[in-house]
Amino acid sequence: DTAVSQTPKYLVTQMGNDKSIKCEQNLGHDTMYWYKQDSKKFLKIMFSYNNKELIINETVPNRFSPKSPDKAHLNLHINSLELGDSAVYFCASSQGAQASYGYTFGSGTRLTVV
Amino acid sequence: SQKIEQNSEALNIQEGKTATLTCNYTNYSPAYLQWYRQDPGRGPVFLLLIRENEKEKRKERLKVTFDTTLKQSLFHITASQPADSATYLCALDNFNKFYFGSGTKLNVKP
Repeated sequence: DTAVSQTPKYLVTQMGNDKSIKCEQNLGHDTMYWYKQDSKKFLKIMFSYNNKELIINETVPNRFSPKSPDKAHLNLHINSLELGDSAVYFCASSQGAQASYGYTFGSGTRLTVV
Repeated sequence: SQKIEQNSEALNIQEGKTATLTCNYTNYSPAYLQWYRQDPGRGPVFLLLIRENEKEKRKERLKVTFDTTLKQSLFHITASQPADSATYLCALDNFNKFYFGSGTKLNVKP
């Protein structure tokens, strides 16, 4: 029973393409996130949704568009992919936006743009 | 500018010793600080959270301290085991957003 699952695990694509990453959590959490981990291992928050409402939108190019159809799902669509988008993208969830009990992360999607 | 600093050099210790990892921060006033473990190819796993009004928190062999004056958290693993080898990340909150350090890799040798 995977708590936070994301697909695909690996994604290799050419510059200029559009791709999506999907995330689902079965923990009953009300808040979901997208984080990006770069080659230096820094995890940077991109977006956060609480009960399907966008509550955090960091300085991310508008080529990145999150969508939360319900509180158990948060997808990330990326248009016109660039080389610099190559990274590992993590979905996470928490109970409450304060994450007092920590985040539960998925296993990541390694995106490689060639 | 805001910074979260963890030692980028790996920490190598002998099995059975206590590992101590450091997280320093600048220009944040976090109400919470969290520690995570990350294994290669996996997502971070939550270990402990400590609040600004708590000096110390323990969970089994883990201990975290939080000094808001020094702007520092220390993470201790006592009686370390090779299975504790991983990268450990600290994260602190800033208005409901958590910002992560880049982590310190711990190697516990048998």
